[in-house]
Amino acid sequence: KNQVEQSPQSLIILEGKNCTLQCNYTVSPFSNLRWYKQDTGRGPVSLTIMTFSENTKSNGRYTATLDADTKQSSLHITASQLSDSASYICVVSPSNDYKLSFGAGTTVTVRA
Amino acid sequence: DTAVSQTPKYLVTQMGNDKSIKCEQNLGHDTMYWYKQDSKKFLKIMFSYNNKELIINETVPNRFSPKSPDKAHLNLHINSLELGDSAVYFCASSDPWRGDGEQFFGPGTRLTVL
Repeated sequence: KNQVEQSPQSLIILEGKNCTLQCNYTVSPFSNLRWYKQDTGRGPVSLTIMTFSENTKSNGRYTATLDADTKQSSLHITASQLSDSASYICVVSPSNDYKLSFGAGTTVTVRA
Repeated sequence: DTAVSQTPKYLVTQMGNDKSIKCEQNLGHDTMYWYKQDSKKFLKIMFSYNNKELIINETVPNRFSPKSPDKAHLNLHINSLELGDSAVYFCASSDPWRGDGEQFFGPGTRLTVL
């Protein structure tokens, strides 16, 4: 069964600090991995997409990494801002199916 | 604005009632989805339609019936609502020809069954 596990479940950080979210998956065959940001009361919005051959990709203060051998990804948030408070969801797409595999998300709270 | 829209945003109703949630996308996508997000924030696929045809139908009670009048709309009708149906329901769409699987989500409909 294809699974995606995220850690930690939640974290609280002070504004300006960095944090790293983890995602481990068992989805196979693998097509791509995407990090979504979901603000409270809104739908998820894509932040980055990682394909098999990519190790690192940045989108502003967000940097995603992928190790396709160990089936692990991380999302690093640099110099956090209050607007980074949200749920971050790791989503893995198999190459042989429409269905995506979703992680349960990590809830990030940034405090002033 | 190009987007996925849902109505209503909030829906409060009594157990046993029948209700519908509407979804529309103007992105020109062929594929649309319904997801249920429970209190633990986990998104679970319910249905997917590609060009008005059902392609994914997870283990969902038959009280839930999706209807796609055209490829830009996917509505969700729920009969005999139960307390456990309380959740946030998200509609999404994607372009299957794009290849990277990005799904664009609507703002969600928070359903509360009393």
